[in-house]
Amino acid sequence: GQQVQQSPASLVLQEGENAELQCNFSTSLNSMQWFYQRPGGSLVSLFYNPSGTKHSGRLTSTTVIKERRSSLHISSSQTTDSGTYLCALERSTGNYKYVFGAGTRLKVIA
Amino acid sequence: DTTVKQNPRYKLARVGKPVNLICSQTMNHDTMYWYQKKPNQAPKLLLFYYDKILNREADTFEKFQSSRPNNSFCSLYIGSAGLEYSAMYLCASSTGQGATETLYFGSGTRLTVL
Repeated sequence: GQQVQQSPASLVLQEGENAELQCNFSTSLNSMQWFYQRPGGSLVSLFYNPSGTKHSGRLTSTTVIKERRSSLHISSSQTTDSGTYLCALERSTGNYKYVFGAGTRLKVIA
Repeated sequence: DTTVKQNPRYKLARVGKPVNLICSQTMNHDTMYWYQKKPNQAPKLLLFYYDKILNREADTFEKFQSSRPNNSFCSLYIGSAGLEYSAMYLCASSTGQGATETLYFGSGTRLTVL
């Protein structure tokens, strides 16, 4: 089965609303990252966050390894936040490699 | 320069014909990866090079080849394209074999097989 589950699959927000994106893992992990992809753009790393909470502007990432989950909180959303958010985990067994979730497609409307 | 460059941006191929995709980075990264991404699916790791060592995923072992003639350059080769190969192909690089540093992605090559 899928090792990385993201929810929701898609989300529409009114500008100014907050969003909470979830990433759940079915395997133990060494680390994980959140990525953002603007439509037609490259994947850009938002957070490298193996554990705990990290902040960057309006974004907050929290990873709880024991519960095998990570979340990405977007506060006061803007139309420029629209795009796809993907989480990826580096497994703690086997080859060192990232396994991705299918992503959350976010649309923020004015 | 923290960019990963991929060429071409779009590629059209005929069923049964070979395809060669190119990726380069000038960050002196040890590891270069190739992912396949189809709409509404997670990027799927096809293979990666750690230095000169190629690691291919078990379920794509026979379908994809790669070469890395130097640290900066990595190619993805499909010997005989099938319709199911139509996808976005993403190249990425990072320092080290582990995940102590972030992945840097290229813009991708969209392959359409007809």
